Amino acid sequence: DIQMTQSPSSVSASVGDRVTITCRASQGISSWLAWYQQKPGKAPKLLIYAASVLQSGVPSRFSGSGSGTDFTLTISSLQPEDFATYYCQQANSFPHTFGGGTKVEIK
Amino acid sequence: VQLVQSGAEVKKAGESLKISCKGSGYSFATYWIGWVRQMPGKGLEWMGIIFPGDSETRDNLSPQGQVTISADKSISTAYLQWSSLKASDTAMYYCVSPNRGYSYGFDYWGQGTLVTVSS
Repeated sequence: DIQMTQSPSSVSASVGDRVTITCRASQGISSWLAWYQQKPGKAPKLLIYAASVLQSGVPSRFSGSGSGTDFTLTISSLQPEDFATYYCQQANSFPHTFGGGTKVEIK
Repeated sequence: VQLVQSGAEVKKAGESLKISCKGSGYSFATYWIGWVRQMPGKGLEWMGIIFPGDSETRDNLSPQGQVTISADKSISTAYLQWSSLKASDTAMYYCVSPNRGYSYGFDYWGQGTLVTVSS
């Protein structure tokens, strides 16, 4: 199975900060990577697919990049509603494993 | 598109269980549908997906046969079934659908079904 490692596991940031989350795959996955946001008590929400394509309705402050084994999710200017846990998921080969998550907390 | 899951369950270890997810607003038989597990306070785990049109399944379920994914396209419903529950099956289970295809992430999620198993 492909292992997905996210870092950091948590980050404290202020409104307006630029936040970057990284996701590393244990082997190459081309651009088959998705990012999700999950708020407490809610189902996750798809933010980005194919590493860099913004899901419809997702604010443009979110962006994704990378290919192969290294990927990043960037929030250009953190908003109050962005405090949540973020997960990456590889969709290159089964099982489509998730990363361990990154919790974005208020500083 | 809507995925509506069955309600919360409280069971005892060793019992069987079948939870459901009804899809609507799209052609159920022609899109993959699957399940993601989230244990209390933990991350997301991909369990498996099924193509209702021909019941082709890709999963990560172990041991094989104890947990199964199925779908009934005639009633647009997918299922996750246990033959013998364990306390470690306690989790929230989300029904998911990758409407663009399974390589593009899960764009639709059900509301979740909380399964609590006591030992």
